[in-house]
Amino acid sequence: GQNIDQPTEMTATEGAIVQINCTYQTSGFNGLFWYQQHAGEAPTFLSYNVLDGLEEKGRFSSFLSRSKGYSYLLLKELQMKDSASYLCAAASGAGSYQLTFGKGTKLSVIP
Amino acid sequence: DTAVSQTPKYLVTQMGNDKSIKCEQNLGHDTMYWYKQDSKKFLKIMFSYNNKELIINETVPNRFSPKSPDKAHLNLHINSLELGDSAVYFCASSQSGQTTEAFFGQGTRLTVV
Repeated sequence: GQNIDQPTEMTATEGAIVQINCTYQTSGFNGLFWYQQHAGEAPTFLSYNVLDGLEEKGRFSSFLSRSKGYSYLLLKELQMKDSASYLCAAASGAGSYQLTFGKGTKLSVIP
Repeated sequence: DTAVSQTPKYLVTQMGNDKSIKCEQNLGHDTMYWYKQDSKKFLKIMFSYNNKELIINETVPNRFSPKSPDKAHLNLHINSLELGDSAVYFCASSQSGQTTEAFFGQGTRLTVV
């Protein structure tokens, strides 16, 4: 079976750093994605990890530990526009993979 | 240039009707998906499809059926609509053989009344 767990809501201050955690249990694991979704819009890709370690992309970084079934998304220098839902998704299957999403973490950035 | 496009964006219909949502991608991907996002914003896979294999999430009622006229299109047909079908439906595509990101369409907000 597939199980993805992440916090439901978080609040952080503009300019600060926030870490959104995700734990997963996925058979046929083939990598971990993070997506951003603003209200009323489509999810957009942020990052992908398949090997253990940290991937940095501008203000956003993502970390993966396969042995622990754990990932986090780190957002630095928070801006008001970062207020959105952040979806953790585990890929499974070879070839045409499937994404199993967590329920998303709604991040509110306050002044 | 829209990578993954869905129509319509909004769909309001009565219980019992049959409706279709269209999806097209111009990315040259060979795999397409349908996801359902409910009122609690939980995004759940319904189908994944490429020209070789259809994978159906076992929880999807058989009133839902994907139809793919070609590699660039995956339409979603829904028969005998129920109130609980109200949700946002997202189409997505990706390329098999490499775990790159899936691209999502803008979503279709279906309201069954």
